Amino acid sequence: AQKVTQAQTEISVVEKEDVTLDCVYETRDTTYYLFWYKQPPSGELVFLIRRNSFDEQNEISGRYSWNFQKSTSSFNFTITASQVVDSAVYFCALSEAPHSDDKIIFGKGTRLHILP
Amino acid sequence: DTAVSQTPKYLVTQMGNDKSIKCEQNLGHDTMYWYKQDSKKFLKIMFSYNNKELIINETVPNRFSPKSPDKAHLNLHINSLELGDSAVYFCASSHLDRAGGELFFGEGSRLTVL
Repeated sequence: AQKVTQAQTEISVVEKEDVTLDCVYETRDTTYYLFWYKQPPSGELVFLIRRNSFDEQNEISGRYSWNFQKSTSSFNFTITASQVVDSAVYFCALSEAPHSDDKIIFGKGTRLHILP
Repeated sequence: DTAVSQTPKYLVTQMGNDKSIKCEQNLGHDTMYWYKQDSKKFLKIMFSYNNKELIINETVPNRFSPKSPDKAHLNLHINSLELGDSAVYFCASSHLDRAGGELFFGEGSRLTVL
């Protein structure tokens, strides 16, 4: 069965610090997809990134970067030079190989506070 | 133009009542979902429909009945509301043909049962 663990329930850092959000997943499939979503205080869910299991290249998008390591079943998310606007709940999610009953399972989220 | 829209955004009602939440997507996706987010922010899938056909039903009480009149709409009807039904309900859509397609979420409907 698929499972996503975000061990950090809540993190607080001071603005401009770097912060890494951890995500560990479990799956029996060899083909799967990993995602990160952001939920700011306004409540909407914003898609950040999708990564398939065959692509272990790290990705960087501005101040955001993602480190995918199959050996440790982790897909960690780093925010560099954090800003107050990064304050949100961040969800890691997993989808196994596309089937008709494909579903995306979410971790419990990490609440990130960026302090001015 | 909102890609996935839900109505109403807020719903306050008494225990025992019946209520519906509507969802529409204009992205041309073939799969739609309902997720429930509880007070601890945990997001749990409830239902999934693909081209009007029920694909996933995650052991949700049968007081919850989804209905998909066409692939662009997925409504959620809840009978005999209970206090524990208070949550934010998110509708989402994705393109199943696109392997591992990401979810596009609506803004959520906050249901409060008194």
